[in-house]
Amino acid sequence: QTVVTQEPSFSVSPGGTVTLTCGLNSGSVSTSYFPSWYQQTPGQAPRTLIYNTNTRSSGVPDRFSGSFLGNKAALTITGAQADDESDYYCLLYMGSGIWVFGGGTKLTVL
Amino acid sequence: QVQLQESGPGLMKPSETLSLNCTVSGGSISSYYWSWIRQPPGKGLEWIGYIYSSGSTTYNPSLKSRVTISVDTSKNQFSLKLTSVTAADTAVYYCARTINSAWPPGGFDPWGQGTLVTVSS
Repeated sequence: QTVVTQEPSFSVSPGGTVTLTCGLNSGSVSTSYFPSWYQQTPGQAPRTLIYNTNTRSSGVPDRFSGSFLGNKAALTITGAQADDESDYYCLLYMGSGIWVFGGGTKLTVL
Repeated sequence: QVQLQESGPGLMKPSETLSLNCTVSGGSISSYYWSWIRQPPGKGLEWIGYIYSSGSTTYNPSLKSRVTISVDTSKNQFSLKLTSVTAADTAVYYCARTINSAWPPGGFDPWGQGTLVTVSS
C-alpha cells in the first residue's frame, strides 16, 4: 500500500524560510502525481495553496511556492509570518482516479 | 464564485447509514469532479471518493465496499452514503470540487465548510 509521507512537525522563525516535503514510502514523486498543498488552521476547512506542483491558487501570496526537492514534492514558505502557523497537507494522485493525502505537517512559527 | 455547503445529520448510531448532501451554488454542477473528504477529530484528511457530473465514480479502496456517491444535476447537488457506520467514521466531512474541469483535475478547490458527524450509541 502506498503511503504519502510528510514531516509530522516543523518549526520556523518569523521571517525565516521553511521547506516542507511530500514523499512516497516507495518511489519518487513526479509531475504525474499532480501534487497539491493545503493549509488548515483549527476549526477551519483546508485552504488550497498550490496545485499541479507549482501553481498558486487564487489569492495565495508568492511567499508560498511549490517545487520538487530530490524525489519529493516540496512547499517552501519564505518570510514566515505568525499566521502561517498551521497544519499543511499534501495530496497526490496515485492513478486510476485515486487520490491520497499525506499525514500532514504541523508548522510552528516561533 | 462557486460555493459548497454540506448538510446532514450530526449524530448517528452504529450500523446506520450516513447520508450527506452537498449543495453547489454560484455555478453549475455540470463538468468537474465532485468529491467527499473527511477528517476524524485531531487527525488528518482522508479522500473518500468523487463523482464526475456524468455520474462516473471513483472511491478510496479502503472505503469502497461501504460508499456510494451520487449526483442530482436538477438540484445542483451531490450526495454521500456510507453504510454500517462505526465510531471510526466520526469525522468532519467536507465536500469539494476539483480545480480543473478537464484532466488533470489539479487538486481540490473550493471546499465546503465541513459538517461534523458523530457516531455514538
